[in-house]
Amino acid sequence: SQQGEEDPQALSIQEGENATMNCSYKTSINNLQWYRQNSGRGLVHLILIRSNEREKHSGRLRVTLDTSKKSSSLLITASRAADTASYFCAGQGAQKLVFGQGTRLTINP
Amino acid sequence: DAGITQSPRYKITETGRQVTLMCHQTWSHSYMFWYRQDLGHGLRLIYYSAAADITDKGEVPDGYVVSRSKTENFPLTLESATRSQTSVYFCASSESAGWTDTQYFGPGTRLTVL
Repeated sequence: SQQGEEDPQALSIQEGENATMNCSYKTSINNLQWYRQNSGRGLVHLILIRSNEREKHSGRLRVTLDTSKKSSSLLITASRAADTASYFCAGQGAQKLVFGQGTRLTINP
Repeated sequence: DAGITQSPRYKITETGRQVTLMCHQTWSHSYMFWYRQDLGHGLRLIYYSAAADITDKGEVPDGYVVSRSKTENFPLTLESATRSQTSVYFCASSESAGWTDTQYFGPGTRLTVL
């Protein structure tokens, strides 16, 4: 069973615009992580937000976590062509990091 | 700094054959993981290891065997490959407590079972 489910499954925007991806999860978590995967490559960790945090920033990334709604969002501001990738949320619950199916983000020049 | 490597990167095999996918990390991370990635399923955990000689099942362990005799290596064996095991396999490692730390992924092995 999937812990995280991303929405939308695919997103296409113009360079410079902001991209928002959402993640919902089913059970209680200790933290939620976001990863990026470029085509044909492994996943790269972007940011981790703990269950007692509501918002976290890292460069152009902003992550929010709402434990009452079991949801998280990833905002990428001022998107660049290099941001084109798939983005996965992963919820860390009891001894498991469980990934969602990902959002495929395309940045058009 | 090699990080985490996987070999082979691509493998084609036939149903019923034994296949071993290799994973090597140079960080001396305690935790190592094997995932498979399939369209429509995201990444699913196959097996993980908290330390040398300590392994445990993940979400989809059937048909797979792992071992970890050395901290830096975590091979995954398909004892009798089936077509349903056609997938991209990722190895990952994590430094300490594992579940609260970030995981570092290898480049993946694309396995095709004919």
